[in-house]
Amino acid sequence: AQTVTQSQPEMSVQEAETVTLSCTYDTSENNYYLFWYKQPPSRQMILVIRQEAYKQQNATENRFSVNFQKAAKSFSLKISDSQLGDTAMYFCAFMKQSAGGTSYGKLTFGQGTILTVHP
Amino acid sequence: EPEVTQTPSHQVTQMGQEVILRCVPISNHLYFYWYRQILGQKVEFLVSFYNNEISEKSEIFDDQFSVERPDGSNFTLKIRSTKLEDSAMYFCASSELLGVYEQYFGPGTRLTVT
Repeated sequence: AQTVTQSQPEMSVQEAETVTLSCTYDTSENNYYLFWYKQPPSRQMILVIRQEAYKQQNATENRFSVNFQKAAKSFSLKISDSQLGDTAMYFCAFMKQSAGGTSYGKLTFGQGTILTVHP
Repeated sequence: EPEVTQTPSHQVTQMGQEVILRCVPISNHLYFYWYRQILGQKVEFLVSFYNNEISEKSEIFDDQFSVERPDGSNFTLKIRSTKLEDSAMYFCASSELLGVYEQYFGPGTRLTVT
């Protein structure tokens, strides 16, 4: 079974600064996907960024980037130039890939980190 | 932009009663999921559904739970006899294709069992 751990229950950052959210996971799988989801106070979860485990290059999406360390089973999210709208709960999630190259769709989530961006 | 909708936003029920939580996935999506989040705990996978059958289910998804796609638009989660520990936020999600493709989440239904 897979487990995902987010060790920072809460983080805060000043607007325009950079913040890094930590995530570690445990799995015996070699092929999988990792995700960061954002859940704003309105509570609808949205995908922030996705990383395929077979890719060595770290994923980036505008101000969001990840530091994926497969051997260490670490997957941190860096938010640059933080904005007030980044205030949300952030979830790290894991998805197993099947032998056929697809996956079953089941997401395993971490506990979440509440990020507050201060003006 | 298309979105997943869920009704009701909040449901209060008495222990032992049946509840049906409703979801309308994005119209061209083929894969559907239910997750739940007990207050202060992790979001947990319950079940995935494709082609009118369950693809995968978790240990939580016991005989008290069932899912159905009664028509071309709705996807429902039924809890037959609710228990206090079923109190949670229930999220529906859908994806166009299986797995790595983005799962779009609904806003959730808060279920309170008294």
